[in-house]
Amino acid sequence: GDSVTQMEGPVTLSEEACLTINCTYTATGYPSLFWYVQYPGEGLQLLLKATKADDKGSNKGFEATYRKETTSFHLEKGSVQVSDSAVYFCALSLNTGGFKTIFGAGTRLFVKA
Amino acid sequence: DTAVSQTPKYLVTQMGNDKSIKCEQNLGHDTMYWYKQDSKKFLKIMFSYNNKELIINETVPNRFSPKSPDKAHLNLHINSLELGDSAVYFCASSLEGSGRPQEQFFGPGTRLTVL
Repeated sequence: GDSVTQMEGPVTLSEEACLTINCTYTATGYPSLFWYVQYPGEGLQLLLKATKADDKGSNKGFEATYRKETTSFHLEKGSVQVSDSAVYFCALSLNTGGFKTIFGAGTRLFVKA
Repeated sequence: DTAVSQTPKYLVTQMGNDKSIKCEQNLGHDTMYWYKQDSKKFLKIMFSYNNKELIINETVPNRFSPKSPDKAHLNLHINSLELGDSAVYFCASSLEGSGRPQEQFFGPGTRLTVL
């Protein structure tokens, strides 16, 4: 079945360190891929997305590239800030007669000053 | 203006009670969802409505009944609440008319605690 696997957390980094959160997927169709971020006490919000192979989504210094050959959509940032501390969710969406979104388990990121 | 709103934000109740959570979106979206997030942050789809019609109904107990009076509202009623229902419930909406999956906009969540 369709699924999303992302690296387990928590991930703890010092400010200005590089971040990579791995995400791989399996899908029976041709999904759109998303990264959502959840700050403490809030709902999820879209961070970036990509709708076709080799597309790169980017926002707030974060980037992810849709890699069909490796079925991956890894999230990267060159220099994290304390304000990036949150839970990050990788997700795929498919039109299977109804729109279905499958979320990964989430990766908690702590950034220390 | 709040795009997706939910009420109440917190709900504390006894086992066996019946409760409702309301959701409204003012984005003009045609699809609305209910998700359950457990204490480990795992997010699971419960229901999805498109233009007031139920299109996704995952394996949830039939104590949970969604209702969509119009495209802008999707309410969740829960009968005979159990301890395991304690979680944060998120409403979300999206515009799916283009045929390609779009981003979802989430509400702030309702934290349900069953005692």
